[in-house]
Amino acid sequence: DTAVSQTPKYLVTQMGNDKSIKCEQNLGHDTMYWYKQDSKKFLKIMFSYNNKELIINETVPNRFSPKSPDKAHLNLHINSLELGDSAVYFCASSHSETGYGYTFGSGTRLTVV
Amino acid sequence: AQSVTQLDSQVPVFEEAPVELRCNYSSSVSVYLFWYVQYPNQGLQLLLKYLSGSTLVKGINGFEAEFNKSQTSFHLRKPSVHISDTAEYFCAVSDQNTDKLIFGTGTRLQVFP
Repeated sequence: DTAVSQTPKYLVTQMGNDKSIKCEQNLGHDTMYWYKQDSKKFLKIMFSYNNKELIINETVPNRFSPKSPDKAHLNLHINSLELGDSAVYFCASSHSETGYGYTFGSGTRLTVV
Repeated sequence: AQSVTQLDSQVPVFEEAPVELRCNYSSSVSVYLFWYVQYPNQGLQLLLKYLSGSTLVKGINGFEAEFNKSQTSFHLRKPSVHISDTAEYFCAVSDQNTDKLIFGTGTRLQVFP
């Protein structure tokens, strides 16, 4: 199936741990994103990559580091996890030409205890 | 900077009644506008988008939206809702120079039998 797929779907971990979330798209898109959705459902962009190059880097702590090995993959690594990092993280992709909208993955629910 | 306002955080409605979910945006440049739907524990799915042309846009699941430039609005409507329309609805905007999508805070549509 053509889609944006994220793994894992659920992630429960202790404070201070380091974790990664993986994202892959097979839609042939050249731009990928990470969004964070907080407990009030507010969606905020974190990063975007175009052809493996960082394009958008919003005000995100340095503990968050995206990595794009190729234009079909955008992974998110989080160091020293904090309680406030608990959220749903969505990966998305799009064509670089504006106006097409995004295709979203189904999300990764991160719970830090 | 662009922003999107969804004034109604929750909209309760009975099945088969019409519904309108309001969205206003602020931008000094030409924009693209989108509505996404998020069903419980799922990712975001594109309902419809306005890029240019006809101001009335038809989307999936019987939804439509009207772009009103003078009022900077892009309200979502459906003439008769179903129980299965119960979900969170997000309005989003991007400008024609970047691919960054800015989301509103969402409106929870609750359809009652």
